[in-house]
Amino acid sequence: LAKTTQPISMDSYEGQEVNITCSHNNIATNDYITWYQQFPSQGPRFIIQGYKTKVTNEVASLFIPADRKSSTLSLPRVSLSDTAVYYCLVGENNAGNMLTFGGGTRLMVKP
Amino acid sequence: DADVTQTPRNRITKTGKRIMLECSQTKGHDRMYWYRQDPGLGLRLIYYSFDVKDINKGEISDGYSVSRQAQAKFSLSLESAIPNQTALYFCATSGREGVQETQYFGPGTRLLVL
Repeated sequence: LAKTTQPISMDSYEGQEVNITCSHNNIATNDYITWYQQFPSQGPRFIIQGYKTKVTNEVASLFIPADRKSSTLSLPRVSLSDTAVYYCLVGENNAGNMLTFGGGTRLMVKP
Repeated sequence: DADVTQTPRNRITKTGKRIMLECSQTKGHDRMYWYRQDPGLGLRLIYYSFDVKDINKGEISDGYSVSRQAQAKFSLSLESAIPNQTALYFCATSGREGVQETQYFGPGTRLLVL
């Protein structure tokens, strides 16, 4: 399993763009990168997934450099409701059981 | 209606008691999981099941057992609860949404073992 490293916490202000970077130096060829969001006392929720380059959806963008040893989750113009823990997971796309949730990054958005 | 439901949502029990946490899903997914989360920490996988006849131990299965009664139901049992099993327990399912394998989590069961 590819181990991931993310900052423990980050602070931001409403309206700013937030970038959370995850390191995964041992990512395997078949591994995808997936990000989840978790609010207090709720289960994690899928945000975005990618394999390489850039992926964008209505919630976020995911930037993956050519060597795939890291990835950056970008949240445009955050609001207070984006305060949550964000998890970066790396694993094969067809093996949900192999996804390992680390400690995540605790994002605090301030007014 | 929620796709993944868990019962009970909160439970207080005593050391040595047997307790069962239940999970149901309407996603039609074959894969189901049980995780526990301790305060300030990430999720740790207890058991997972790829289909009704397939049960696998996760990272921290000691002290727990599971039953996959049907595709839609996956129960977690604590045979003899102990205080360090006090945690937030999540059930999840996973399926491929287009090209993506995505996990869907239930609302969680908060368990306190006295």
